[in-house]
Amino acid sequence: DSGVTQTPKHLITATGQRVTLRCSPRSGDLSVYWYQQSLDQGLQFLIQYYNGEERAKGNILERFSAQQFPDLHSELNLSSLELGDSALYFCASSVDRGLVGNTIYFGEGSWLTVV
Amino acid sequence: AQKVTQAQTEISVVEKEDVTLDCVYETRDTTYYLFWYKQPPSGELVFLIRRNSFDEQNEISGRYSWNFQKSTSSFNFTITASQVVDSAVYFCALSEAGSGNTPLVFGKGTRLSVIA
Repeated sequence: DSGVTQTPKHLITATGQRVTLRCSPRSGDLSVYWYQQSLDQGLQFLIQYYNGEERAKGNILERFSAQQFPDLHSELNLSSLELGDSALYFCASSVDRGLVGNTIYFGEGSWLTVV
Repeated sequence: AQKVTQAQTEISVVEKEDVTLDCVYETRDTTYYLFWYKQPPSGELVFLIRRNSFDEQNEISGRYSWNFQKSTSSFNFTITASQVVDSAVYFCALSEAGSGNTPLVFGKGTRLSVIA
């Protein structure tokens, strides 16, 4: 158990819909990352938040957005869903208290199926 | 730009054989961090090891060992006496020091099948 909690574990929704994935980082971790894993694209970095602020942005679509709340949990919002958005979405966290190279721990992922 | 290459897409071995998973990386930073993660069939990503660019000592943890060679930009992973439970996809990843903990860049992964 990495200590990173993601909900829901599985989600099936229709095209055009909107879903929210939730993540609770490990206790004490300030950074939260979102990754998307699909068969054709592998593990792709989407976005990183550090202590409530956006720190880095990767290949995140405009239809997707995220935020990190004062209690450090994070949500990834996916809207106008398309079939190609079906993937395993990972949340990860790291301590990041002025240190570099911290280990990044991953949650169990949220399986999203768009039908 | 940083890049990680895992040339072996799939490997199949018989139980108790040794197997080495290759990882080659590219980075312009002098300070960087290398990681290996395991993804079993259940889907979660399990952290295995982190190594910084200044520490070229090889590491052994039980049946697992890692060989880091800066001269060839490689960070290979060996499983000794493989077991069926080692069957998983293994990912190598790189993080540059940059201005903080830069996000991990992953290789495409190597799917290891250990046959009883």
